[in-house]
This record gives sequence, C-alpha cells and structure tokens, in this order.
Amino acid sequence: GQQLNQSPQSMFIQEGEDVSMNCTSSSIFNTWLWYKQDPGEGPVLLIALYKAGELTSNGRLTAQFGITRKDSFLNISASIPSDVGIYFCAGQPVGTYKYIFGTGTRLKVLA
Amino acid sequence: NAGVTQTPKFQVLKTGQSMTLQCAQDMNHNSMYWYRQDPGMGLRLIYYSASEGTTDKGEVPNGYNVSRLNKREFSLRLESAAPSQTSVYFCASSEAQLGEAFFGQGTRLTVV
Repeated sequence: GQQLNQSPQSMFIQEGEDVSMNCTSSSIFNTWLWYKQDPGEGPVLLIALYKAGELTSNGRLTAQFGITRKDSFLNISASIPSDVGIYFCAGQPVGTYKYIFGTGTRLKVLA
Repeated sequence: NAGVTQTPKFQVLKTGQSMTLQCAQDMNHNSMYWYRQDPGMGLRLIYYSASEGTTDKGEVPNGYNVSRLNKREFSLRLESAAPSQTSVYFCASSEAQLGEAFFGQGTRLTVV
C-alpha cells in the first residue's frame, strides 16, 4: 500500500531554534496536510496545501507542497516550549478520499 | 462548535466481547473516517465513508465493521475483540472536495 516516509522521527532542539521536517511519498498526492498532536488529544490541523509549489504560513509555521507532488516540508521558526508534541504529515492520493499519514516527528524543545 | 465527538473516551474489553464506538460530526461534512493509532506507527485507516450510504475499506479493516447511519454519524464495531485491537481510535470528518480532515479526541481501547 501507499506509505509516507516522515523524517526525522524525533528531535531535541533548544528554544529559539528553527525546526525542519519533511514527508515523502512514492505516489502523487492532491493534498498535503500537517497536524500536531498533544498527549491525550486528537491531531489538530496546522496547515493545508492544495497546489504543487504552494508555500503557506500559519504564524511561525511554514509548509510547502513539493513541485513533484510527492513531498512536503514543514518549518517552525523560533521554537518555544509549547511547540512540543508529535507532528504528522498526511496526504490525499489522487483519485481517492483517503488520507495517508506519516509516522510522525516527535519534537522536544529544551528551554 | 463541538466538531467531531467520539464516545466513549475510554473502554476496557475482555477478549471476545463486542462493542461499538460512536462518532458524530456537526460540520455537515460528507466524508468520515476511522483510524487507529499505535505507538510508532502513526495513524492507519480502518474504514472510511466518502459520502452517506457508502463505506470502503482502508489499510487495516480486518476485525472491524462500520455503519454510516446518516450524514452526521459513523460507527465502528468490533464483533469479537482481540488484544491486537488495543489501540487509540480516532474518528475524523472532511468536506471531501476541500481535503481538510478534522479529528475527534479519540477512544482509548484496551482488550485484555
């Protein structure tokens, strides 16, 4: 089946640093979504991307829909302690209503 | 707005017991989904319903059944629970054309 490779799996960073993570797919996607999940909660949508090359920001978060439509990137600038959590990418393959998720990037911010 | 509401939040079952997880959304979305989340494996799609009256299998459908009762509600049934079904279950909904899925807070299920 289709899979999303998300990296890195986890990262520890100092408060104030910038963070980058990415997802790659073996097939083409129509939509890329980025979610954050806090402990005991459901994933919360951060950014949605709909066009190849699209670059979208949400506060300190910026995400891009790769030109090949097989990858996406999420950047967090000037990280703060509340950025701690698990970040998931999700993609919607062409011609389906399904969302395929990456395995997540666990982020820990050291004050 | 309530968004996506799941019940129950926690459940413990004995092997072989059955139960139904309930999900309701108030956003008038066409599509609904059931995922399970296991440590280190992200979210895996169990079943989805692209629109009222239709259901389709996802990646891991074995051992589960679903019912799209109406546009608002999408239930997940375990007929004979097994320890391998211990997981956190999430329901989600989306307006299919726009591609943004919104999640409930999850049901933590333990099968002993």
